[in-house]
Amino acid sequence: GQQLNQSPQSMFIQEGEDVSMNCTSSSIFNTWLWYKQDPGEGPVLLIALYKAGELTSNGRLTAQFGITRKDSFLNISASIPSDVGIYFCAGLKTGNQFYFGTGTSLTVIP
Amino acid sequence: KAGVTQTPRYLIKTRGQQVTLSCSPISGHRSVSWYQQTPGQGLQFLFEYFSETQRNKGNFPGRFSGRQFSNSRSEMNVSTLELGDSALYLCASSISESTDTQYFGPGTRLTVL
Repeated sequence: GQQLNQSPQSMFIQEGEDVSMNCTSSSIFNTWLWYKQDPGEGPVLLIALYKAGELTSNGRLTAQFGITRKDSFLNISASIPSDVGIYFCAGLKTGNQFYFGTGTSLTVIP
Repeated sequence: KAGVTQTPRYLIKTRGQQVTLSCSPISGHRSVSWYQQTPGQGLQFLFEYFSETQRNKGNFPGRFSGRQFSNSRSEMNVSTLELGDSALYLCASSISESTDTQYFGPGTRLTVL
């Protein structure tokens, strides 16, 4: 199935640093979602974006819905060890089918 | 409110066998979607059910099937298992088919030997 292009594939950062990751597609999406997945668990919803240009925050997380509706960005400020995990973007098209990004693996070094 | 529950959490089967996985959505949620997650392919959409009807189907062979019951609980069945079916199978629920926010269960880890 179609997947979104997510980058970077992996990141190794020092605790306290800021993190940025993005997700791009050749298709337009109506909604963008960002999830975090811990090993052996299902993805947990972090942020949902519903309008082009929308900027939404959830604590230290900030995400934006791209103006073209073909991309989205997630930023994590002042990273902490519990931020470790795999972050997925997901786009929703008409018809309620989700397409997922390939994931960004984040490692935070204390 | 309890989250999405999936049973069993872990399963080991051999090639050729069949398997049934179960998903109970969040109370009040009527839409259930199933995904297969593998290291190589990432999250792949299998199918979505709403009000006991399959609304969407991904690009998987007919060996993969599902159903939804009147209480919104859903089951997924895989027949004639292949080694490549080894994966984490995730169930996600949402309030309705038009709702964009899905909540995932912890998944069932299926290993095919």
